[in-house]
Amino acid sequence: NAGVTQTPKFQVLKTGQSMTLQCAQDMNHNSMYWYRQDPGMGLRLIYYSASEGTTDKGEVPNGYNVSRLNKREFSLRLESAAPSQTSVYFCASSDQQGPYGYTFGSGTRLTVV
Amino acid sequence: SQQGEEDPQALSIQEGENATMNCSYKTSINNLQWYRQNSGRGLVHLILIRSNEREKHSGRLRVTLDTSKKSSSLLITASRAADTASYFCAPGSGNTGKLIFGQGTTLQVKP
Repeated sequence: NAGVTQTPKFQVLKTGQSMTLQCAQDMNHNSMYWYRQDPGMGLRLIYYSASEGTTDKGEVPNGYNVSRLNKREFSLRLESAAPSQTSVYFCASSDQQGPYGYTFGSGTRLTVV
Repeated sequence: SQQGEEDPQALSIQEGENATMNCSYKTSINNLQWYRQNSGRGLVHLILIRSNEREKHSGRLRVTLDTSKKSSSLLITASRAADTASYFCAPGSGNTGKLIFGQGTTLQVKP
């Protein structure tokens, strides 16, 4: 019962480097989401994908791009990392037709130096 | 989508006591969800209450929803040290399922 799997769990980048955060779910959910959480704060929505083939901006999309590769996978890319992108990133998925809410991954801790 | 506002921001109680946290929102909703986040972990879905429901129970959790006051409350009865976590509410509306989270209530349960 994997649920939502995020890789990597930890990453340190230098300013200006690029990287892709991977997310995969095995629950056949239609919708997937990327959030970031900064210390002492709630989660802020970066991008989401309501269904396969669609993506939309959330509250804080600047500096990020996403790809909904297929129904299972939703990746988040930082093209040129900045220290302000130091955060914990969470991927989540949901079945909008069901009563079960979101399932979250365990997060990726990213530090940009 | 809209953000829920949790109150209080922080709550400290003794083990065995009840914990109540509240959530307010601004516009009409289809449902409202509560989540728990243990330190360093992802959020875990606790309970979803639909707009036509007034109360829902799950184990030691009781959630109420008052759509006329645009508010919800989460009651944890007979709290345990393991309930120490942050709790978030998320009003749900629209067709995208997109949820916006507030800053949460941080609950500390002292043994």
